[in-house]
Amino acid sequence: DAGVIQSPRHEVTEMGQEVTLRCKPISGHDYLFWYRQTMMRGLELLIYFNNNVPIDDSGMPEDRFSAKMPNASFSTLKIQPSEPRDSAVYFCASSPAIQYPTGGLYEQYFGPGTRLTVT
Amino acid sequence: LAKTTQPISMDSYEGQEVNITCSHNNIATNDYITWYQQFPSQGPRFIIQGYKTKVTNEVASLFIPADRKSSTLSLPRVSLSDTAVYYCLVAIPGYSSASKIIFGSGTRLSIRP
Repeated sequence: DAGVIQSPRHEVTEMGQEVTLRCKPISGHDYLFWYRQTMMRGLELLIYFNNNVPIDDSGMPEDRFSAKMPNASFSTLKIQPSEPRDSAVYFCASSPAIQYPTGGLYEQYFGPGTRLTVT
Repeated sequence: LAKTTQPISMDSYEGQEVNITCSHNNIATNDYITWYQQFPSQGPRFIIQGYKTKVTNEVASLFIPADRKSSTLSLPRVSLSDTAVYYCLVAIPGYSSASKIIFGSGTRLSIRP
C-alpha cells in the first residue's frame, strides 16, 4: 500500500479564496483524521470519521471549515473563505478499528501533509 | 480530559540511552498511551503503545507505573537520526461515540555527535 496520500503537497492562495485539501486513506482503515499543525498551537485534531461518518468535529475552528468523506477512499477538508491565520500544515491520518476490549486506538498512519499558505 | 505534559526539549549524545517522561494525571481506566515521532516536514510516525507495565519493540521501550499517571519512553543507544519531536498521546476511547485524541506539546530531542 502507498500509505496515506494527500494532495496538494503545497498550496498558496489569497485571502478569501476557497481551499480544498484531499486525502486518500489506507485501504481497509475504518478511521480517518484531519489535523492541523502550527508552531503556536502544535498538532490539533480537527475532525475524525469512522466508516465515513463524522464522529467528532469539535476541533474544527469555525464554520469556514468543513470536511466530507463521501466514500471509504476519499476525504476532503475545505476552507471557505480562507484567511491568513489558516496557514499551517494539514495532516490526514488513517487507522484500523478501535482495539477491543479495552478500547485503545490502533496506531494512526499519517500522510505527508499539505502546507497551506494564505496571503 | 487526560492532558499530557512533557519536557519541551532534551539533548543527548550518540550512543546514550534517552528517557522521555510524560505526565497524564487524569488518565482514564481504558486509555492507552501512545508515542509518536515526527521529523521535520513529515507526519508523525507511531513508535510504541502500551496500557500498563512495560512494552518493548525493536526501536523503543515504554514503561508505565502501576498508577499509570505517567509513562517513560526509552530510546536505547540513540543516533543522530533520532533527532526529532516526540509526542505522548493518551487515547480516550469510546466504542460507539466520540473519542478525543490529544497530542501533547511534544519533546524536541536533539542528539549530538
